[in-house]
Amino acid sequence: EDKVVQSPLSLVVHEGDTVTLNCSYEVTNFRSLLWYKQEKKAPTFLFMLTSSGIEKKSGRLSSILDKKELFSILNITATQTGDSAIYLCATRGNEKLTFGTGTRLTIIP
Amino acid sequence: GAVVSQHPSRVICKSGTSVKIECRSLDFQATTMFWYRQFPKQSLMLMATSNEGSKATYEQGVEKDKFLINHASLTLSTLTVTSAHPEDSSFYICSARKSGTSVLGETQYFGPGTRLLVL
Repeated sequence: EDKVVQSPLSLVVHEGDTVTLNCSYEVTNFRSLLWYKQEKKAPTFLFMLTSSGIEKKSGRLSSILDKKELFSILNITATQTGDSAIYLCATRGNEKLTFGTGTRLTIIP
Repeated sequence: GAVVSQHPSRVICKSGTSVKIECRSLDFQATTMFWYRQFPKQSLMLMATSNEGSKATYEQGVEKDKFLINHASLTLSTLTVTSAHPEDSSFYICSARKSGTSVLGETQYFGPGTRLLVL
């Protein structure tokens, strides 16, 4: 059975800090790893990673995948209160996405 | 863009009644749609995969007779929770995969979710 483990489960930091969220996985027939941000509603897509070592970047957010060690990290620099959310990591095996439990990030002004 | 809508966004019903939730891909065709359930402070759990024109594939532990899925067109899938009970109260989210995209490169687009409360 595919498994995705995220750490930490929750994180509280001050505005302006940099955070790193972790995602490790065991997936049969790995195809891609995706990061989502979930606020009060359904998840919104952040990144999709398929190749090792290539950083994806969008503003203050960046992510990288290590297919040899089976993990990914999501970095957020200069955090803002609007970054407070649950960040979900998901992997795609054959047909479906398997989600981790998420990291609840809280940014204190 | 790729927009997925769900209706209703919130529903409260009495125990024993059935509730239908619609999921629509508004600006693209989706041969495959997915239904997830999310309990408070937990992650998304896949319930079933819905393929247009064929029967849905249910995940282990999900009762197919209780959660009826119909994917009658390339833009619409419905989930009916039959004889709902309080333990079915949850956040139900659908997602849609664009037709014609390769499995490697495609992204699932999520609907905004439906919050179901069964009294």
